[in-house]
Amino acid sequence: DQQVKQNSPSLSVQEGRISILNCDYTNSMFDYFLWYKKYPAEGPTFLISISSIKDKNEDGRFTVFLNKSAKHLSLHIVPSQPGDSAVYFCAASPNNYGQNFVFGPGTRLSVLP
Amino acid sequence: DVKVTQSSRYLVKRTGEKVFLECVQDMDHENMFWYRQDPGLGLRLIYFSYDVKMKEKGDIPEGYSVSREKKERFSLILESASTNQTSMYLCASSFTGSYWGYTFGSGTRLTVV
Repeated sequence: DQQVKQNSPSLSVQEGRISILNCDYTNSMFDYFLWYKKYPAEGPTFLISISSIKDKNEDGRFTVFLNKSAKHLSLHIVPSQPGDSAVYFCAASPNNYGQNFVFGPGTRLSVLP
Repeated sequence: DVKVTQSSRYLVKRTGEKVFLECVQDMDHENMFWYRQDPGLGLRLIYFSYDVKMKEKGDIPEGYSVSREKKERFSLILESASTNQTSMYLCASSFTGSYWGYTFGSGTRLTVV
């Protein structure tokens, strides 16, 4: 059973609009969460993180929201740009030791010009 | 620029062959990981290592083994390649306590025919 779920395999958004990518987890021990972005033929790259002591973290156009009671996090991209088209992976860990991350299946975002 | 380098971008091997996938990192990271990425399944952990000569099984170790004789190098071995091992293989490394999680290599696309 998947501990980290991304229920939307794909998402299409118009350029300039908001993209919202969702992630749910089942393990209440997860305490630290990351989003990675992956282009074809490249490895995933770190995008943004959030610890369970926060409910929001912002970095430029990217904001991650965490609802620990619902075991749900979301990544908001505002405004969306064509270069944001990629696969986005949510990852969770019981700590921020740089180990033990469990990844979701990914959501393919397409930003249409 | 810090790097995780995977020796091959594309490999085609025959069923039954022994296959070696090499990964080298130049960041002095103690933790190294091998994942495979398949559509709809995300990143699944095959093996990991927290130190030289140390290895631990991940979620899907069957049919694979690993070797870590030096801190910077982590090799994945397919003992007898099978068609169901056709996949994208991703190597990653991290240091304990890194807030950004893992640094990934660019991946090796392995096709077993």
